[in-house]
Amino acid sequence: DVKVTQSSRYLVKRTGEKVFLECVQDMDHENMFWYRQDPGLGLRLIYFSYDVKMKEKGDIPEGYSVSREKKERFSLILESASTNQTSMYLCASSSPGTSEQFFGPGTRLTVL
Amino acid sequence: KNEVEQSPQNLTAQEGEFITINCSYSVGISALHWLQQHPGGGIVSLFMLSSGKKKHGRLIATINIQEKHSSLHITASHPRDSAVYICAVRSKGTYKYIFGTGTRLKVLA
Repeated sequence: DVKVTQSSRYLVKRTGEKVFLECVQDMDHENMFWYRQDPGLGLRLIYFSYDVKMKEKGDIPEGYSVSREKKERFSLILESASTNQTSMYLCASSSPGTSEQFFGPGTRLTVL
Repeated sequence: KNEVEQSPQNLTAQEGEFITINCSYSVGISALHWLQQHPGGGIVSLFMLSSGKKKHGRLIATINIQEKHSSLHITASHPRDSAVYICAVRSKGTYKYIFGTGTRLKVLA
């Protein structure tokens, strides 16, 4: 059974903290994505990676960075968390040969 | 105007009713997806369409490429169908997906 896992389901951090969100997939997918989901706005792309060490900015990259040192792992980093980064964060992966994305369970991040 | 628009935003139905959720898009696409999100966050892919119609159990999805429109139908709806249904399109020639804001469906017993 294919799987995308995320390191935490719920996370509470303080303003200014550095936050790491981890995503691991076991499908040998080249493409991995980080989205945030906010009420009324749908999923918005923060960053995606199409290969190890390769990344491209999405629609809302400000305040975020990413790391992909291994094919199966894609990390989202909030260098200095702010309250407007309180959101649901979803990781996804896909193969270039197909259009289907597989999603992780999501991390609900609250920044106080 | 969003590039992917869904309607309705919210829908309440009685068990057994036939349900239709609509999706219109304004960009060139290589595929359209219907996704289901239950409370708690997890998203599951229901259908991937590039043309025509697909059926899986009580769910039917159709797409009209010329009109840039897709519909998701649920026949004989059940309370376990209660979820948010999201339309997403993959922009032609890119890895990028554009998502609708979702339709929140509640089916009452």
